[in-house]
Amino acid sequence: DAGVTQSPTHLIKTRGQQVTLRCSPKSGHDTVSWYQQALGQGPQFIFQYYEEEERQRGNFPDRFSGHQFPNYSSELNVNALLLGDSALYLCASSLGLAWETQYFGPGTRLLVL
Amino acid sequence: EDQVTQSPEALRLQEGESSSLNCSYTVSGLRGLFWYRQDPGKGPEFLFTLYSAGEEKEKERLKATLTKKESFLHITAPKPEDSATYLCAVQAGNQFYFGTGTSLTVIP
Repeated sequence: DAGVTQSPTHLIKTRGQQVTLRCSPKSGHDTVSWYQQALGQGPQFIFQYYEEEERQRGNFPDRFSGHQFPNYSSELNVNALLLGDSALYLCASSLGLAWETQYFGPGTRLLVL
Repeated sequence: EDQVTQSPEALRLQEGESSSLNCSYTVSGLRGLFWYRQDPGKGPEFLFTLYSAGEEKEKERLKATLTKKESFLHITAPKPEDSATYLCAVQAGNQFYFGTGTSLTVIP
């Protein structure tokens, strides 16, 4: 079982650019949630996808958008990058919108210069 | 405003020295409280879920408890491999909030 995988592992962008991060859920899971974790902080919930639709959303601007594919994998897109978007972006998968036993991936480290 | 606060921010223990980590919360409609362990450069690893005041769960040297306003993660006779950041999170309605974590270092 490969668990939750994310790509790329690291990424460097400049202000104003756009970025796409990718996540493959754990086998058997159908729900994907995305989190932003700034250095020294706890993860902040961005949004959750189930059945290819955004089901829940945290307090993040519309610059953050996502997509879920029929194979349950997901993408996180961030437009018009700001310096403050530099963080570790975590993907978590679960079964059927359940928050219990979310499995987290290793994250993508994004640096915005 | 929904809020999750963890204390202390950092804790250094000698191997075998038991202690407790605290997670206090002010949220509307608590549906569950979660504890995770996070190692440097990795995603959080699920430890426990607690649903109601008075509930307790144990796993090896860790024991989590829950009251109406806070949760404790008790670490008994810790070992160096228990060194990590311990995160508390709550599910309130359809939102999920993490605390800022407690960085635990266990010295041999």
